[in-house]
Amino acid sequence: QKEVEQNSGPLSVPEGAIASLNCTYSDRVSQSFFWYRQYSGKSPELIMSIYSNGDKEDGRFTAQLNKASQYVSLLIRDSQPSDSATYLCAGNFGNEKLTFGTGTRLTIIP
Amino acid sequence: EPEVTQTPSHQVTQMGQEVILRCVPISNHLYFYWYRQILGQKVEFLVSFYNNEISEKSEIFDDQFSVERPDGSNFTLKIRSTKLEDSAMYFCASSDAAGPTKETQYFGPGTRLLVL
Repeated sequence: QKEVEQNSGPLSVPEGAIASLNCTYSDRVSQSFFWYRQYSGKSPELIMSIYSNGDKEDGRFTAQLNKASQYVSLLIRDSQPSDSATYLCAGNFGNEKLTFGTGTRLTIIP
Repeated sequence: EPEVTQTPSHQVTQMGQEVILRCVPISNHLYFYWYRQILGQKVEFLVSFYNNEISEKSEIFDDQFSVERPDGSNFTLKIRSTKLEDSAMYFCASSDAAGPTKETQYFGPGTRLLVL
């Protein structure tokens, strides 16, 4: 059973600081990982995808993937109150479905 | 920007009734998915659909569930005889078949199903 694990939080970060969200997974046959943002009662919204080891930057967001350690992270720089949401880590393990973690609830404190 | 749409946004039904949830995937996408999220729980995969047939399904997707692409744009999820435990948010997603972004799935806004 392929699992994706996240700390459910809540994680509180002051406005303007860096928020760091982490995710681990149980299967070495990993293909790609995705970070989605989910506001309460809404659908997952894609933020970043990452397929290979290393860092990938997009604006204020940086995704990091370490396949040897089976670890994925998302950094949010210059955190804004609008970043307050639940962040879902999801993996594609060689089949067609996404396996989601439980999500980390992030609160940005003004 | 193209997006996945879903109807209805909310559906209330009696236990044992049939419901059909509808989705219009992004127009050039070829892979379609249904996921569900019970309140307070993680997003769970139900089924994937490609080339007019189911390509993968989870244990949740039992004989009470079916999917169909009745025309060139719609993708539906039918629950034949709803149970209380089917109450959840149901998300449709689609992805592009081409290149390294094949696995990137875009989600619709969801249908909140409440079974009484």
